[in-house]
Amino acid sequence: EADIYQTPRYLVIGTGKKITLECSQTMGHDKMYWYQQDPGMELHLIHYSYGVNSTEKGDLSSESTVSRIRTEHFPLTLESARPSHTSQYLCASSEWLLGANVLTFGAGSRLTVL
Amino acid sequence: ILNVEQSPQSLHVQEGDSTNFTCSFPSSNFYALHWYRWETAKSPEALFVMTLNGDEKKKGRISATLNTKEGYSYLYIKGSQPEDSATYLCALYNNNDMRFGAGTRLTVKP
Repeated sequence: EADIYQTPRYLVIGTGKKITLECSQTMGHDKMYWYQQDPGMELHLIHYSYGVNSTEKGDLSSESTVSRIRTEHFPLTLESARPSHTSQYLCASSEWLLGANVLTFGAGSRLTVL
Repeated sequence: ILNVEQSPQSLHVQEGDSTNFTCSFPSSNFYALHWYRWETAKSPEALFVMTLNGDEKKKGRISATLNTKEGYSYLYIKGSQPEDSATYLCALYNNNDMRFGAGTRLTVKP
């Protein structure tokens, strides 16, 4: 049973469209993250948040933006999608458990931009 | 820069075989090493979190070891089953930074 939900799971859109990938978690976690993964490559952190009204860019430059108005919601937006944005996007939240920061992931949003 | 390397990139084994794969990471400033299991079309799930040199963790047929001095962790699967087929990710946590490897894709053939 998922505690972190991502929608849509799959999306195929044309160049220039604005899209928002939704991510919601029901665990009350303060920290949330967006990772991007291309096939065969490692997950790269593109955005993270320490709590409401906190957003930071990750180690991989991204043209996307995020917002954190509510603890449970961390949407990612692309204002004008391009083929180079084709990738899988994973949302996660984390809590401190037994001395470690443990992530819980959503099932991912696979984006294809034509 | 935290480079986390996993090998092999992919692995095919027969049902019943035991297997293992490696995660290598810089040994300086180590805090924690995580293993995640990621089945196709599902969310990555946490398997183990290890923080101490010499740590050994076990969950059913899967176990992991950690050597922070030389910078590696091994994941072992004993008697592989088709349901073990997944991508196994390791991640190094250090200074509020979680850095993932590219994963090892395991396929277990019946």
